[in-house]
Order: sequence, then structure tokens, then C-alpha cells
Amino acid sequence: DGGITQSPKYLFRKEGQNVTLSCEQNLNHDAMYWYRQDPGQGLRLIYYSQIVNDFQKGDIAEGYSVSREKKESFPLTVTSAQKNPTAFYLCASSEAAANTIYFGEGSWLTVV
Amino acid sequence: DQQVKQNSPSLSVQEGRISILNCDYTNSMFDYFLWYKKYPAEGPTFLISISSIKDKNEDGRFTVFLNKSAKHLSLHIVPSQPGDSAVYFCAAKKMSSSYKLIFGSGTRLLVRP
Repeated sequence: DGGITQSPKYLFRKEGQNVTLSCEQNLNHDAMYWYRQDPGQGLRLIYYSQIVNDFQKGDIAEGYSVSREKKESFPLTVTSAQKNPTAFYLCASSEAAANTIYFGEGSWLTVV
Repeated sequence: DQQVKQNSPSLSVQEGRISILNCDYTNSMFDYFLWYKKYPAEGPTFLISISSIKDKNEDGRFTVFLNKSAKHLSLHIVPSQPGDSAVYFCAAKKMSSSYKLIFGSGTRLLVRP
């Protein structure tokens, strides 16, 4: 089945720890994205990547890092510098220069 | 500064009636608009889109209307079904900058049986 797979679905992290969320797609899409959703708010762009080995900051990149070593993979690291990391994280992908992006199922991160 | 606004956080509609979800935008450079539907703890799924060269796009029970002069778009669902109960997000972009999609805060639709 073609799609976007995020893992883990639920993750708990202690304060001060880094954590990495996985995102894999088999749609052969060039572009990949990470969004964050907080209750009552829209989706906010953290990072995006248009092509392998290249990525750009979105609107709320502070405290996050990404890598794009393979076309199908775009992991997101939530570092200890992120002040409010508890949120629902969504990975997405699209064809190059496409107008529509497609989302994975999301990952819940809770800091305890 | 919210560039895409969904001012109604929730909407309740009787099954079989029309649901109208509204969205306003402030950036006149936006020329492509999308609606996504989201169930709890799941990723959003693409529903319907419209470019600024059109004022209406229809797909089955879903129709999106665009009023460029008012910087307003709306999603009509007719007839509404209980399975339509979800959060609906409006999103906008400039086609020339393909990678920047701006989302509204969402409207929770409840369709009552």
C-alpha cells in the first residue's frame, strides 16, 4: 500500500531528553514536511524538504532538527531546547511543486 | 498574525441538511485553497481544492465557493451525514511558493442523526 508511515504513534519523553519521530513514505514524493498541531490551533509548519539533502525552516523550527538523507525518509528530532514539545506531530509529503500535500497518521508526543 | 481564519470553532447540523463551513484569508497573494478533513488522532485527509481562477468547485456532496473580493471561501456539504462529523481545516497558499501551506484553526462539525 502506498502511503506515509509515522512512528511511534504515542511517545512519552522526560524533560531534557531528545526524541526522534520517524516518517517514511513510499509515494515517491520529492517534498516532505513536518507540521505540529496544538489543541484549538491550526497546523503549523516546522520544517520542509524539497529534495534529498536539502531542507528549510518553517514557521516554528526552534528546538527541532531534521535530516533528509533518503528520498523516502524525513525524521524529526525534538530537542531539549523545544520549550513546549507536547503536541500532535504530522508528517506530510507531496510531488515536487504540487499544490496538495498528503499527511501521515500523526504521532503524539507527551513530555512527562 | 493569522493569515487564514476559521472564526467558527464548531458547527452542529441535522443529518440531511446543508453544512456550511467558512474561511477568511487576509493575504491577497494566496491563489490556491484547500479543505482537509480530520478525525481525532488521525492525519488530515485532502477533501477538495480551488484555484483563484475559479469561483466554484464541486465534488459529489462537497462544493467549495471562493469570493476573491471578500477574501472568503466556504465549504458546503449537502446532504450532511453523521460520518462527516470531523474537524475541517481550510488552507491557502501561493502557487508560486509551492511549499508553504497556511492552515486555519479548524471547525469541528457535528452532524446529528
